[in-house]
Amino acid sequence: RKEVEQDPGPFNVPEGATVAFNCTYSNSASQSFFWYRQDCRKEPKLLMSVYSSGNEDGRFTAQLNRASQYISLLIRDSKLSDSATYLCVGVNTGNQFYFGTGTSLTVIP
Amino acid sequence: SQTIHQWPATLVQPVGSPLSLECTVEGTSNPNLYWYRQAAGRGLQLLFYSVGIGQISSEVPQNLSASRPQDRQFILSSKKLLLSDSGFYLCAWSDTYEQYFGPGTRLTVT
Repeated sequence: RKEVEQDPGPFNVPEGATVAFNCTYSNSASQSFFWYRQDCRKEPKLLMSVYSSGNEDGRFTAQLNRASQYISLLIRDSKLSDSATYLCVGVNTGNQFYFGTGTSLTVIP
Repeated sequence: SQTIHQWPATLVQPVGSPLSLECTVEGTSNPNLYWYRQAAGRGLQLLFYSVGIGQISSEVPQNLSASRPQDRQFILSSKKLLLSDSGFYLCAWSDTYEQYFGPGTRLTVT
């Protein structure tokens, strides 16, 4: 079983829609979690950290549920520029990073 | 601020040829360094990581090797490339938490 699993999509949503991605992790020892964004043929870029208390950055909200071992990313009022692949990441106590395979999002005009 | 450099940006190499990709980090000391490969339409595969000079951990057996001759320099090498080595090679660094990626090298083995 993979350390981190996420639905590959694709998610095709209209502009202005709200979309949510979930990601599950198998290693209960994972300490830190992040969401990255990867544009086509580019490197992944850190989008936001994920905390148990939840954190929000503008239209983006990330949540961590340790009991159920999943993290989520909510995007409100989707923009065309949000089209990308979103990667979830878990980090264990040995500072090893485990990336999901990514969820593809296309925002349609 | 920290920056990470990778070169070359693109590379086309014949099967059986050697490979050397270089990654350097500026603006930080003793970073953890990583090499990943991403095949077309696939996820990131961790190849090597390093916690210090001369300390390399390999995640998957393959015909690739890595070296860290200096604190902020990480090199990925191969003596003989295979077709299956084609992909997008990404170097990354981290301190305690977040990981930051270089711009990557797109390798095509023909």
